[in-house]
Amino acid sequence: QQQVKQSPQSLIVQKGGIPIINCAYENTAFDYFPWYQQFPGKGPALLIAIRPDVSEKKEGRFTISFNKSAKQFSLHIMDSQPGDSATYFCAAAGRAQKLVFGQGTRLTINP
Amino acid sequence: KAGVTQTPRYLIKTRGQQVTLSCSPISGHRSVSWYQQTPGQGLQFLFEYFSETQRNKGNFPGRFSGRQFSNSRSEMNVSTLELGDSALYLCASSLDGTSGGAGFFGPGTRLTVL
Repeated sequence: QQQVKQSPQSLIVQKGGIPIINCAYENTAFDYFPWYQQFPGKGPALLIAIRPDVSEKKEGRFTISFNKSAKQFSLHIMDSQPGDSATYFCAAAGRAQKLVFGQGTRLTINP
Repeated sequence: KAGVTQTPRYLIKTRGQQVTLSCSPISGHRSVSWYQQTPGQGLQFLFEYFSETQRNKGNFPGRFSGRQFSNSRSEMNVSTLELGDSALYLCASSLDGTSGGAGFFGPGTRLTVL
């Protein structure tokens, strides 16, 4: 019940395309859903986060879509660029609970 | 404002040895969390410290321990190292540990156990 399942494991998209990464969770106590971006040799960096009282959140080219009834959330990257090539992690946490991470998606944006 | 710093960045040890890793959080942050990252298991929560007290603990054996000092700096210790302990150990800090606690990550310490 503590798992967060992330797909796909890897994704290759052409520059300008819209990669979509999906996550699903079971624990209905989760109430915070962040996405992290990690470049090789660096720690994960918080990209964008959402709480279940909204269905969508946009920050720049990054959008989170959240479906509470399906217990799913996804990350969309608009107008993707080669510099967006990184590993992306979704995560979830509840009150007094620590973050549970998905397995990660290695995204490659081809020029 | 300086980010989260971790030392050392790289470490090579042999089985049976022990190791201590250090983390300095962002100034003013009182919560420090530790994570282990491996290709097979991904990012797994080790423990969280807040105001020198362990507030949360993940499912790791007792060989993994930590502490936090009055200046919020934290250390984690792994005793009797095993090959499977080879991983990137990440520290994250946040003001108070809410919202999952992992506000800002450091670059990590890459531990290799031979």
